[in-house]
Amino acid sequence: EPEVTQTPSHQVTQMGQEVILRCVPISNHLYFYWYRQILGQKVEFLVSFYNNEISEKSEIFDDQFSVERPDGSNFTLKIRSTKLEDSAMYFCASEREGRLEQYFGPGTRLTVT
Amino acid sequence: QQPVQSPQAVILREGEDAVINCSSSKALYSVHWYRQKHGEAPVFLMILLKGGEQKGHEKISASFNEKKQQSSLYLTASQLSYSGTYFCGTVQLGNQFYFGTGTSLTVIP
Repeated sequence: EPEVTQTPSHQVTQMGQEVILRCVPISNHLYFYWYRQILGQKVEFLVSFYNNEISEKSEIFDDQFSVERPDGSNFTLKIRSTKLEDSAMYFCASEREGRLEQYFGPGTRLTVT
Repeated sequence: QQPVQSPQAVILREGEDAVINCSSSKALYSVHWYRQKHGEAPVFLMILLKGGEQKGHEKISASFNEKKQQSSLYLTASQLSYSGTYFCGTVQLGNQFYFGTGTSLTVIP
């Protein structure tokens, strides 16, 4: 069964450094999402991406964040200058059609020290 | 904008039933339900579209009242495997998707 994959599974970085989190969505899916979940808290929507552009973003997704689909298979989330409060689990999700079932990747745990 | 779930947490004995509610202040196009086990990604359970439909998935079913902007998830004859955090996800008119506040469900023997 096809699945969403994410790399790395765990990333440790120093405050102020840039990180890139990578996701490979399911191949025939058209909608892509990033979510964040701080330990013990709710899942928070960051951004959705369709047709090579951002379709929605939340208040969390400020200028520090950017997304790209550089090669038609990978979907990346870049955090330019990480802060301690960026430490969280980051989930990528993809969806075949809009507003339907989202398939989540296993997540990347980001630890900012 | 974020839907509110109730209760925040519930503990059940195996075989008991539970209802989890999800309420939004905005008009909804659809409601999704996900379950997340500790340390894992959310897993899709079901989606309910406009029209007041009800869906079932073995012993887990849900309803969606679009007029009240509410959805309820019904778990009957709970099993140990049902333990986890349940999130509703709402698609608001305008295509914005929000996860709910979450409900922690613990099933004990």
